[in-house]
Amino acid sequence: DAEITQSPRHKITETGRQVTLACHQTWNHNNMFWYRQDLGHGLRLIHYSYGVQDTNKGEVSDGYSVSRSNTEDLPLTLESAASSQTSVYFCASRTDTSGELFFGEGSRLTVL
Amino acid sequence: ELKVEQNPLFLSMQEGKNYTIYCNYSTTSDRLYWYRQDPGKSLESLFVLLSNGAVKQEGRLMASLDTKARLSTLHITAAVHDLSATYFCAVRGNSGGSNYKLTFGKGTLLTVNP
Repeated sequence: DAEITQSPRHKITETGRQVTLACHQTWNHNNMFWYRQDLGHGLRLIHYSYGVQDTNKGEVSDGYSVSRSNTEDLPLTLESAASSQTSVYFCASRTDTSGELFFGEGSRLTVL
Repeated sequence: ELKVEQNPLFLSMQEGKNYTIYCNYSTTSDRLYWYRQDPGKSLESLFVLLSNGAVKQEGRLMASLDTKARLSTLHITAAVHDLSATYFCAVRGNSGGSNYKLTFGKGTLLTVNP
């Protein structure tokens, strides 16, 4: 079955370190998204991509970057992790027909 | 900028009762989505509403869309404990074509008590 997977599922890191969260989907969707979820804020869009070599900033993109070298993967990189980036991160991809988003299981990141 | 407001944000209800969650949005859109999230889990798609007047039902949940009023409702009938979860609505931004973003509401935490 087609799916979307994230890794790692849990990570603890220190302030200033570089961290990369992986996202891989097997649906061949062009559109992929990264959200963070925090209490009181719901889901906020970090970065998104409409296809290979395309990346765009979302509403909370500072301190994050993404790259899209193939259809399946959209890794999210925190260049220099900060405590404010402690959060749960969700990757999602979207079908072109209904526009429905399919979410990964989430990656819980703690920055100490 | 598209803004999406859900209310209530917290809802505690008794089993067997009915209630409605509201999702208002600020600019024209013709697509709205409802998701469910259990504690510590991912988001699961519940309903896709693709046009004005769309109504979808699944078990005790019914969702509707009024694009003129910029309002969607999620109605819960005869609530049961298994419906306890956080419910999100998400609205499509009208940037055209297949390239667009979804803006999410803050979610409604529903607790169904015996």
